[in-house]
Formats: sequence, C-alpha cells, structure tokens
Amino acid sequence: DGGITQSPKYLFRKEGQNVTLSCEQNLNHDAMYWYRQDPGQGLRLIYYSQIVNDFQKGDIAEGYSVSREKKESFPLTVTSAQKNPTAFYLCASSIGTGQYFGPGTRLTVL
Amino acid sequence: GEDVEQSLFLSVREGDSSVINCTYTDSSSTYLYWYKQEPGAGLQLLTYIFSNMDMKQDQRLTVLLNKKDKHLSLRIADTQTGDSAIYFCAETVLNTGTASKLTFGTGTRLQVTL
Repeated sequence: DGGITQSPKYLFRKEGQNVTLSCEQNLNHDAMYWYRQDPGQGLRLIYYSQIVNDFQKGDIAEGYSVSREKKESFPLTVTSAQKNPTAFYLCASSIGTGQYFGPGTRLTVL
Repeated sequence: GEDVEQSLFLSVREGDSSVINCTYTDSSSTYLYWYKQEPGAGLQLLTYIFSNMDMKQDQRLTVLLNKKDKHLSLRIADTQTGDSAIYFCAETVLNTGTASKLTFGTGTRLQVTL
C-alpha cells in the first residue's frame, strides 16, 4: 500500500527537550511538507522540501529544524527554542496537483 | 496578506444538501482545493478545481468557483452522517513546479443531524 506514515501518533516530552517527529512516504513524491495545526485554526507551514538535500522555511520555521537525506523521509525536530510546541503536526507530500497528508502526530510538552 | 476565510460551523439534516463557502485573496491562485479532516486524523484531499474552470462535479461533490468575487464553494448532495467532519479550503500561493505552497482556511465544522 502506498501512503504517508507518521510516528509516533502521540508524543509527550518535558519542556526544554528536543524531539524528532518521523515522516515517511512510499509514493515516490519529490516534495514533502510539515504543517502545524492548533485547535480551531487552519494549517500553518513550517518547512517544505522540493528535492533531496534541499528545504525551505515556511511561515513559522522558528524553533524547528528538518533534514532531507532520502527522498522517502523528512523528519522534523522541534527544538527547545520553540516557545509553544504543543500542537498537532501533519506531514504531507506532493507530485503535481494536490498534497497528500499523513495521519499526524500529537505532541504534548509537559 | 494571504487570508482564506470560512464560516466556522454548519449544521444540516441527513439527506439534505450542504454548502460550505470559502473566500480567498490571491487572484493568481492556480488550483483551489477542498480537504476533509475527521477527528484526530490527517487531511483527506476531496477535490480541486483549476482556476480557469467555473464548476467541477465529482459524484456527490460539486465545486463552484467565482473568480470575480474570489469565492469558492463545496456542495455535498444527500449529506450523510459520515460526512460529519471539518472541511478546509486551500489556495495555491506559490508553485515552483515541484512543490506548491498552500494557504488553508480555518475550517468549517459540518455537523449532520438525523
């Protein structure tokens, strides 16, 4: 089955710790994206990558970092510099029209 | 700036039609999208329309685009309880050919009652 997987589904971390969220796709899509969703709000773009070893900041990149060493993988690290990291994080990929989303990771910082 | 607006909530009876509205701001948007999100899940791409089209129909879904007013709507015919979800519209604000930047609305929660 082709698709996008995100792990874990739920993640709890203590304040001040870095945490890495996984995103893998087997759709052979070139572009991948990370979004943040807060309650009652739309999605906000954190980072995106058009191709391996290349990525660009989105609208809210501060406090986050990414890497794109393989076409299939686009991990997101939430650093301790992110002031309010508790949110629902969504990964997506695309080739041509439309973006296709993973199931999301809910991060709670205690 | 880029702002996509949607009403927050819509309640319809099962079997009726639902119409979800969206206003976008970027007149150069190429594609406009409708996504569905069920509780605790990711977004599912429902349908999209290219900016040179006025209407697109896909089974129970009809998308209408009014470019002059920058207004997009999604009509769901014969609404079912399984259609209860949050619906997001999104406009393309940048297309590099490989990647596209989308701006999403805040979402409309559709509640279907019996």
